[in-house]
Amino acid sequence: EAQVTQNPRYLITVTGKKLTVTCSQNMNHEYMSWYRQDPGLGLRQIYYSMNVEVTDKGDVPEGYKVSRKEKRNFPLILESPSPNQTSLYFCASKPGAPSVTQYFGPGTRLTVL
Amino acid sequence: AQTVTQSQPEMSVQEAETVTLSCTYDTSESDYYLFWYKQPPSRQMILVIRQEAYKQQNATENRFSVNFQKAAKSFSLKISDSQLGDAAMYFCAYSPAQRDKIIFGKGTRLHILP
Repeated sequence: EAQVTQNPRYLITVTGKKLTVTCSQNMNHEYMSWYRQDPGLGLRQIYYSMNVEVTDKGDVPEGYKVSRKEKRNFPLILESPSPNQTSLYFCASKPGAPSVTQYFGPGTRLTVL
Repeated sequence: AQTVTQSQPEMSVQEAETVTLSCTYDTSESDYYLFWYKQPPSRQMILVIRQEAYKQQNATENRFSVNFQKAAKSFSLKISDSQLGDAAMYFCAYSPAQRDKIIFGKGTRLHILP
């Protein structure tokens, strides 16, 4: 089944404890992206990747890191999480341009205490 | 700057009735795509419908249709014969063609009244 998977689905952690949220897609998509969703703000892009070893900042990159060493994986790293990073996180992927429709993972609910 | 505005934070509709969700956007691009995504309580983001700006014909998917007014930069979603399973948050989104970016509105929460 074609899908985007994220792990973990739920995570409660404490301020300053490094964490990684994994994202994997099995559709051979070039493009992958991370979003955060906050009430009243919709989805905002954190980072995106056009292909292996090619990443760039989105609209809200502060406090996050990403890497794209393999085409299928795009982990999101929080080196020192803070409470303002409590949010719902989505990974998405799509074929490269001109394709535009993004396919979303199931989301990761992160709480930073 | 490209923006997407959904002016209705919440809406309610009686089951089996028709409801229209509003969306406006701002762009100087001439070629782009517009989307409606549905987010049910499961939180999964589900693509409902997609519209290419160069197509004048409004997209339809079963009970879902759009009213695309390019000059007015308006992209509303009409849900006919509303069902309880339509209850969700709906996001309008914009993507310029040939560019890997998508911009979301803040969402409209739709309640279906039995």
